[in-house]
Amino acid sequence: QLQLQESDPGLVKPSETLSLTCTVSGGSVISDDYYWAWIRQPPGKGLEWLGTVSYRGTTYYKSSLRSRVTMSVNTSTNQFSLTLTSVTAADTGLYFCARQYTVRGHCSGVTCLRDFDQWGQGNLVTVSS
Amino acid sequence: NFLLTQPHSVSESPGKTVTISCTRNGGNIASDYVQWYQQRPGSAPRNVIYEDTQRPSGVPDRFSGSIDSSSNSASLTISGLMTEDEADYYCLSFDGANQGVFGGGTRLTVL
Repeated sequence: QLQLQESDPGLVKPSETLSLTCTVSGGSVISDDYYWAWIRQPPGKGLEWLGTVSYRGTTYYKSSLRSRVTMSVNTSTNQFSLTLTSVTAADTGLYFCARQYTVRGHCSGVTCLRDFDQWGQGNLVTVSS
Repeated sequence: NFLLTQPHSVSESPGKTVTISCTRNGGNIASDYVQWYQQRPGSAPRNVIYEDTQRPSGVPDRFSGSIDSSSNSASLTISGLMTEDEADYYCLSFDGANQGVFGGGTRLTVL
């Protein structure tokens, strides 16, 4: 059974870079049926899609974060990662990694993306000095 | 971009039926598929509806999704409410501008 596990960066200082890795076990990141996504949840608030990446390097990012975010897949380690630069307190929250089903044909871009069918447990990232 | 607006909270008694709405502001609700997620306290979200009306395996048929173009909204209906259905519910859609947007979430209380 596929499992996802986020790394634990814990505390990150303001203006520094947040780096998270999601380790995939029980399956491979190499798939044209699934992409890999990051979603976060500020304390006591709702979910926010941050972006989605394929093992081939196709990326889709939330527009408001595009200047600060990078996502990639490492096929050698079966992991995918999120890097967020110049963090502030507003970036504090529970960060989830997830697998996202994708379809081909009669669609383009993120309209080919479907549901998040597997999730990591989530890891709390706190931005504070 | 667009917004998805959900009621902050709904409540209903066990055994009853509840409907949670998700109204799209900007664009046509029927243009892009809507998904629904259930999040119980302390847990990761779980998909309960995909492609507007489809139910993943393992999700009870008490859960159903629909689209109403006249109100430009999607709805999640849960019938035969059980205490285990008490959770936060989020709608989500992806659009042609390559953006994914979650609704603000609805807290369902089963009294």
